[in-house]
Amino acid sequence: EPEVTQTPSHQVTQMGQEVILRCVPISNHLYFYWYRQILGQKVEFLVSFYNNEISEKSEIFDDQFSVERPDGSNFTLKIRSTKLEDSAMYFCASSERSGPYEQYFGPGTRLTVT
Amino acid sequence: AQSVTQLGSHVSVSEGALVLLRCNYSSSVPPYLFWYVQYPNQGLQLLLKYTSAATLVKGINGFEAEFKKSETSFHLTKPSAHMSDAAEYFCAVSDQTGGFKTIFGAGTRLFVKA
Repeated sequence: EPEVTQTPSHQVTQMGQEVILRCVPISNHLYFYWYRQILGQKVEFLVSFYNNEISEKSEIFDDQFSVERPDGSNFTLKIRSTKLEDSAMYFCASSERSGPYEQYFGPGTRLTVT
Repeated sequence: AQSVTQLGSHVSVSEGALVLLRCNYSSSVPPYLFWYVQYPNQGLQLLLKYTSAATLVKGINGFEAEFKKSETSFHLTKPSAHMSDAAEYFCAVSDQTGGFKTIFGAGTRLFVKA
């Protein structure tokens, strides 16, 4: 069964460093999302992406964040200068079509900022 | 705005007992609702979804949920708990008023006692 994959599974970085989290969505999906889950808290929406542009972003997704689909398969989330409070689990998700349909989530990348 | 509220951050049941996890929604339009499960150190797996068809929705692993418009509820049940059901469960709604992102509840951790 097709699945969303994410790399790395765990990333440790120092405050102020740039990180890139990578995702490979399901191949025929066109809508892509990033969510994050701070330890012990709810899953929060960061950004949605379609047709090579951001469709929607939350207030969390400030200028330190960016997303890109550099090729036909990868979908990346970049944090330019990490802060301690960026430590969280980051989930990528994809869906086949626009609308109130389920999104398929990857296993997540645990980001630890020290 | 659409939202979901999960009642009870922790639920503990004995193996073989009924599992009931509560979720209430708020929506100005007919909602599309989901239950996701997160096992320790894993990603989010879709258990079941409500998309305005049958009000009783059956999912994987013996779980089901009933959509009750009059009570604005979408509670998750399983007749007989198994040790392997121990996990975090998230109720979620598709945000039809803005981009179809998924809006999650705070989660309910299910403990199953032997």
